[in-house]
Amino acid sequence: GQQVMQIPQYQHVQEGEDFTTYCNSSTTLSNIQWYKQRPGGHPVFLIQLVKSGEVKKQKRLTFQFGEAKKNSSLHITATQTTDVGTYFCAGPRYSSASKIIFGSGTRLSIRP
Amino acid sequence: EAQVTQNPRYLITVTGKKLTVTCSQNMNHEYMSWYRQDPGLGLRQIYYSMNVEVTDKGDVPEGYKVSRKEKRNFPLILESPSPNQTSLYFCASSTRQVDGYTFGSGTRLTVV
Repeated sequence: GQQVMQIPQYQHVQEGEDFTTYCNSSTTLSNIQWYKQRPGGHPVFLIQLVKSGEVKKQKRLTFQFGEAKKNSSLHITATQTTDVGTYFCAGPRYSSASKIIFGSGTRLSIRP
Repeated sequence: EAQVTQNPRYLITVTGKKLTVTCSQNMNHEYMSWYRQDPGLGLRQIYYSMNVEVTDKGDVPEGYKVSRKEKRNFPLILESPSPNQTSLYFCASSTRQVDGYTFGSGTRLTVV
């Protein structure tokens, strides 16, 4: 069945270093969403990408949607302690656009 | 304030004792969904609803029921809870796959 994988599973960085998480789907996605979940919290919607090759920025965060619409990435420049959390990508299932499948997530921890 | 409200936040129950987790949203969203989050398994969709009286199974519906009698409410019902349903549950809502999900704060359920 359709799978959405994220790598790496964990990333531990020094504050100020950059961070990237990659999301790969086994099938083409009509759109992809990114969420952040702080420790002990709930997922919070960050952004949605729809177009092939789309790039969007939110301050230090840069989101990309691959040309084939099967992969995506989230890059954080100069991490801060407030960036700690787990980052998830999510997209509609190929079989049913109403079913949203989440990636396995990348947990980011930061050394101050 | 726009929000999704889940109750209770924490619940410990015994095997076989029926329970309901409530979910209410004040954003007039058509689309609502329930997810469970387990370590190493990420967020898995249990049920979703595209509008009043329209519900469908997600990826892990066994042992759960839902209803959508009103637009704002989407309760999750466990008729006969079992220990393998111990998990963190999230309710979420959105406009029809346009703006991403708004998640509730979560319900941590323990079945003993």
